[in-house]
Amino acid sequence: EDQVTQSPEALRLQEGESSSLNCSYTVSGLRGLFWYRQDPGKGPEFLFTLYSAGEEKEKERLKATLTKKESFLHITAPKPEDSATYLCAVNTGFQKLVFGTGTRLLVSP
Amino acid sequence: DAGVIQSPRHEVTEMGQEVTLRCKPISGHDYLFWYRQTMMRGLELLIYFNNNVPIDDSGMPEDRFSAKMPNASFSTLKIQPSEPRDSAVYFCASSDREGGETQYFGPGTRLLVL
Repeated sequence: EDQVTQSPEALRLQEGESSSLNCSYTVSGLRGLFWYRQDPGKGPEFLFTLYSAGEEKEKERLKATLTKKESFLHITAPKPEDSATYLCAVNTGFQKLVFGTGTRLLVSP
Repeated sequence: DAGVIQSPRHEVTEMGQEVTLRCKPISGHDYLFWYRQTMMRGLELLIYFNNNVPIDDSGMPEDRFSAKMPNASFSTLKIQPSEPRDSAVYFCASSDREGGETQYFGPGTRLLVL
């Protein structure tokens, strides 16, 4: 069965304190790994797609990387506005996404 | 583009009542997805359509749930009769193959069944 596990469940950082979120997956055939950001009361907002091991994508203070078994979302010098839940999902084929349960990030000023 | 539009944003109903959730996908997208999000189970895919045709409904919890897509710009998810355990946030998302299969989500409908 395809599975996505995210850790930690929750993370509290001070402003400027860099860290990483982890997404590990077991799928029969990976056709893309997606990172989304979700703010309270809103729908998930697309951040990145990664397709092959070794691939990296960056956007402002976020950088996503991918290996054969896991992906990391690195947050460099975070700001309070980066506080959100970060969701990881894998496309196992035929447009179906399997989501992890997310990491709740809180950045304190 | 206005993005994916969902209505209503909030719905409170009593057990046994029929509930209808509505979605307008992004214009030009040929895939539409319905998800349910709860604290316990996270985001779960219920059903998805391609070119208005249901492709996979294996995530629909039971016969009380049904979904339709009568045209490319409108879809409904219906629960009849509703039960308290159906309380959740329901999201609609759309995508197109040309866009690399990235799904774009609507703001969700928060459903509370009393």
